This record gives sequence, structure tokens and C-alpha cells, in this order.
Amino acid sequence: NAGVTQTPKFRVLKTGQSMTLLCAQDMNHEYMYWYRQDPGMGLRLIHYSVGEGTTAKGEVPDGYNVSRLKKQNFLLGLESAAPSQTSVYFCASRNRNSLPGGTGETQYFGPGTRLLVL
Amino acid sequence: AQSVAQPEDQVNVAEGNPLTVKCTYSVSGNPYLFWYVQYPNRGLQFLLKYITGDNLVKGSYGFEAEFNKSQTSFHLKKPSALVSDSALYFCAVRDVDSSYKLIFGSGTRLLVRP
Repeated sequence: NAGVTQTPKFRVLKTGQSMTLLCAQDMNHEYMYWYRQDPGMGLRLIHYSVGEGTTAKGEVPDGYNVSRLKKQNFLLGLESAAPSQTSVYFCASRNRNSLPGGTGETQYFGPGTRLLVL
Repeated sequence: AQSVAQPEDQVNVAEGNPLTVKCTYSVSGNPYLFWYVQYPNRGLQFLLKYITGDNLVKGSYGFEAEFNKSQTSFHLKKPSALVSDSALYFCAVRDVDSSYKLIFGSGTRLLVRP
């Protein structure tokens, strides 16, 4: 059971280039999230998905797109990278169960992808 | 709107001393509160959560947190700090819409000196 994995771990892009970040989870979770982490700002939600085939915008969606074609995968795309997108990106997942004693309220995070846009 | 605040950017404590990392929240309705820890170059790890029940919540690695409704606080505590506790700590509240997304504080860096 690998939990939540992210690919790649680190990437350097030039302004205007595109790339896709891959998040995979093997816990059969319904909900998946993409966050970005910037110094002094905590984690901010980019996009999220409440199930296969569904996506929605979070707090800071501009410049990003996502897809959830398979339940276990959640892809984050940058069509035209900008220096402002230099950040550490984290994926997280949780299951549907929201009973107080269950595990559904806990989000499980991947190790992160460090992206530098020059 | 839901929000959390971590008023301290950094907390310094000597090994063996008690530690407290502060968190206050603002929510509509009942709060679902969380603490996560991030070690260098790692993802966030879940420490503990308050959903309902006892105001004192016990979590991983000897940490606990006290939910105080009147003061809208959820401070993280540990009776005796270890050097290995040095990390970045995030408080979070669950949003009330159907996304169940977490809203994070800005983080507090804990430095435990030997």
C-alpha cells in the first residue's frame, strides 16, 4: 500500500512550457485535491475532485487544469507555465466516509512536487 | 467564511520542556479541526483531529490538542518536547461545502533546541 504518490518529484520549466503532474492513490478514495504551498501562506487549494469524472475549482485555479479519468489518478496540468507558478505542489485524498469515528475526515498527502519556473 | 489563524511564525522551546503551538479558528456551525506536521522535504502527515466529543484530543507522537469553543482555539500541545519534533505545523479546518476541503493556517515552525 503506497498511499499517495506524486510524479515527478522535481521539475524545472521555462516560461511558457507545459507539463502535467500526476497524483496516484491506492486507497480507493473518492475525493482528491491539489494544493500549492508557498512560504508564509500555508496550503491553498487549486482544484479538487469528488469522484471519477468530476472536477471543481478551488481557491487558486487560474493557470491550471485537472482531469480525473480514473478514480485512482488526478492530473494537474500547466498549459503555459509562469514564474508565479513556482511552488511546491501537494496532492491529497480522502474517502467518502464522514462518520465522526471514521477515517473519512483525514486527508492523506503525497510527498510533493517541487516546481521551478524560470 | 471558514478560516484559521496561526499567530506565531516560529516557536522555540528547549528539549524536555512543554510546547504549545497556537491556532484559532472562525467557522459557521460546528468546527472540524485538524493538525498536520511537515518534516523537511516531506508531505504533510496527519497528527490529530477534533470532530466531536472530548475537548482534549490525543494524537500521534505524544501530541494532544485542546478544543476551546469559547475562545475558538485549538492549540497543539506536548508535555515534553523532543529535538525530532522540530518541523512545520499546520492547523486546518474543514470547509462546510460538499468538497470537504481543508482550509489551512499559514503554519508555525517549531524549533526544539537540545
